[in-house]
Amino acid sequence: GAVVSQHPSWVICKSGTSVKIECRSLDFQATTMFWYRQFPKQSLMLMATSNEGSKATYEQGVEKDKFLINHASLTLSTLTVTSAHPEDSSFYICSVSQESTYEQYFGPGTRLTVT
Amino acid sequence: EDQVTQSPEALRLQEGESSSLNCSYTVSGLRGLFWYRQDPGKGPEFLFTLYSAGEEKEKERLKATLTKKESFLHITAPKPEDSATYLCAVRLSGTYKYIFGTGTRLKVLA
Repeated sequence: GAVVSQHPSWVICKSGTSVKIECRSLDFQATTMFWYRQFPKQSLMLMATSNEGSKATYEQGVEKDKFLINHASLTLSTLTVTSAHPEDSSFYICSVSQESTYEQYFGPGTRLTVT
Repeated sequence: EDQVTQSPEALRLQEGESSSLNCSYTVSGLRGLFWYRQDPGKGPEFLFTLYSAGEEKEKERLKATLTKKESFLHITAPKPEDSATYLCAVRLSGTYKYIFGTGTRLKVLA
């Protein structure tokens, strides 16, 4: 399987500020990465599919101007939460998929708290 | 509408008490079905991939099976360290999209 890291593991920011979360594929060149958010005791909700070198594909209801995704290389994708509000507080998880098997491997997640 | 449903929502077992978790799906086209384990505050950990009806996979105390409408995760003689949330997901044909079920929270008591 692939090894995926995220940074930071947790972050606290003030309402109205922006925060960037990094997702790195450490041992695998990922043309496609995924960003999910997870609320307490709920399942994973896909936010967007990040494609290297092109624009991300956002799921219905996800504001692309609020959640900026950049997939600049085969090993790095970033999610920037702009003008964060308390309701953006959540657990954000990225993943990569191996297209030969369709298996998906996840990062450890980033806990975002907006005060 | 593509949908994945897991049951039960929560399950408490005594150590050694075997049971099964269910994942039923209704999708337009299935590329694969996946099982994950998630511990609190962590990302999901990959367990199994199943591609076609009749397929089975095993790993230690876990066994996953797949039919045309559902998948089961059988847990044999569970231990307290098996306590976690178990998620299933499907990859839709012709897309990069995965749909996750709501998960089963398993608690194994010593």
